[in-house]
Parts: sequence; C-alpha cells; structure tokens
Amino acid sequence: GNSVTQMEGPVTLSEEAFLTINCTYTATGYPSLFWYVQYPGEGLQLLLKATKADDKGSNKGFEATYRKETTSFHLEKGSVQVSDSAVYFCALTVQGAQKLVFGQGTRLTINP
Amino acid sequence: EAQVTQNPRYLITVTGKKLTVTCSQNMNHEYMSWYRQDPGLGLRQIYYSMNVEVTDKGDVPEGYKVSRKEKRNFPLILESPSPNQTSLYFCASSLFPTVPQETQYFGPGTRLLVL
Repeated sequence: GNSVTQMEGPVTLSEEAFLTINCTYTATGYPSLFWYVQYPGEGLQLLLKATKADDKGSNKGFEATYRKETTSFHLEKGSVQVSDSAVYFCALTVQGAQKLVFGQGTRLTINP
Repeated sequence: EAQVTQNPRYLITVTGKKLTVTCSQNMNHEYMSWYRQDPGLGLRQIYYSMNVEVTDKGDVPEGYKVSRKEKRNFPLILESPSPNQTSLYFCASSLFPTVPQETQYFGPGTRLLVL
C-alpha cells in the first residue's frame, strides 16, 4: 500500500538555523508529493508540491526535491524564523486514489 | 475569498448524543472529503464524495455518516458518538480528485471531545 514516514518530532531550533525534516514514502505507481503546514489553531495549508521525479517544489524559502531513487521528499529551509513554528505534514497521492496519505506530522518550534 | 468553512470549531458532547459537523466550500469543487487527525497518526480519511449524491468510505468510516445533497456542503454525522471519536476533524475539497496535481483545500478544523 501507500504510506509516508516522517522524522520523529518535536524539532526545536534557534532562529536562523538550517532546517531539514525527513520524509520517505512507499507508493504504487508514480505519486505526487506534498508538504502541508498547520499553524497553531488553523487548518492545513499547502506549502509546496512536486508531481514527478526530480521536480523541486519551493515556497516561502522552503524547498523539497522529489527523489525517486531514494523515495524521499525532504523539506529544507536555509534560515528558519520564529513564524515558521508549526506542524509540518508530508503527504502523497496517486492517480485514482481519491485521497491524500499523510505522514504523522512533525512539530517544529523555533526559538528567538 | 475561496475557502472551506467548518462549524462548530469546538464541540464537547456526551456518549450517544447525535451530532453533525458542517462543511461548506465556495469554490464549486466536485470533490470533498473528511479526515481525522490523531497524535502520531497524521490525518486519516473518513469519507469522501466525488460529486452530489456520490459518497464512499475512506480508511476509517466506522461510526460516521455523510451526505452530499448539494455541491457546496458535505456534513459529517456522528449518530452515536463514542470517546474514541474524540479527535480533530478536517474537511477538504478540490476541483478534480483524480488529478494528483490538484491541490486540496482544508477547512480550519473541528475539535471534538466525547465524554
């Protein structure tokens, strides 16, 4: 079946630190990959996505590259801010699946 | 403003008392879905709907019902809530569900506590 595994959280960093949140997947067929972010008290928002191998999604300084050979879609940001504190979800979907498959989420806290 | 709305945002109820969580979208989306979010488990799909009068089970449908009488609304019904349905619920919608590139839009969530 299809599944997503994220690195265990919570993650705590200082402002301006480099961020990596690992995400690996298993999927039948060729999945599209997503990172969603959930700020405190809010719903999920799409952060970035990639729909085919070697695509790089980017938004708000975050990046993730679709690596088919390692079945990974790690989220990175060069210099985090306090406002990046949130829960981050890696997710995938495949053609015809009618749903997103989510990882367990990683809570990120950035200290000033 | 394009959005998915849910009501109520917070709800405390008792075992067995029927409740409905409403979901509405203003984007003319065909596809709508309900997820529940539990610690350590991420989000899991409860039910989804491909269009009016077309609904189907997701991964965790037990104890829930849905209906899709209008395109914009997709209520989630708990006919006899139990404590294991205490969770954070999200409604989502998108234009073409079978196109993986299509973005799903999420509501703000409904936090439910069943005593």
